[in-house]
Amino acid sequence: SQQGEEDPQALSIQEGENATMNCSYKTSINNLQWYRQNSGRGLVHLILIRSNEREKHSGRLRVTLDTSKKSSSLLITASRAADTASYFCATDPHNSGGSNYKLTFGKGTLLTVNP
Amino acid sequence: DADVTQTPRNRITKTGKRIMLECSQTKGHDRMYWYRQDPGLGLRLIYYSFDVKDINKGEISDGYSVSRQAQAKFSLSLESAIPNQTALYFCATSDFTLTSGTLEGQFFGPGTRLTVL
Repeated sequence: SQQGEEDPQALSIQEGENATMNCSYKTSINNLQWYRQNSGRGLVHLILIRSNEREKHSGRLRVTLDTSKKSSSLLITASRAADTASYFCATDPHNSGGSNYKLTFGKGTLLTVNP
Repeated sequence: DADVTQTPRNRITKTGKRIMLECSQTKGHDRMYWYRQDPGLGLRLIYYSFDVKDINKGEISDGYSVSRQAQAKFSLSLESAIPNQTALYFCATSDFTLTSGTLEGQFFGPGTRLTVL
């Protein structure tokens, strides 16, 4: 069953604009991760945020986590055409011992950045 | 060279055939995973392995089997392929560094596109 659900399913923006994607999940987690997938390719890990963290930055990426609302958001600032991809959140459930296995992936948000 | 490789990259086969997908990694990770991805869906875990002697079923293991031949190699087999196993298959690896408190994400291979006619 799906643990994480991304919203929106698709997002189209202009280059230079910011893109925000949201993820909601159902059960307690040890950490939440965001991945990017270019069309038909393997997923690339972007960022991991632990359950005791509220915000994390990596370059143009900013991730927030609200465990009380069981939600996370991924913000990409100053987007570029090369950011066009699908973005997935993945949750590491609490009963896994926090060892980064049995990740449950959402269905993804398709981001299109128009030049 | 890529850290996680998968062979073949594309495969078309017929219903009832036995198929093996192979995965090799040079990252030195103990943990390896097999996922499938269907259009419009996220990834679903098929099997995962913590080391050569430890293999576990994932969410959708029926119709699949795996073999962990070495730390670096993890194979997925479809004993008798059926059309609804047509999908994109990914192998992934991860490290377990509880003592250091460091967690990384999973590292994915490029995928194998399997079509069962």
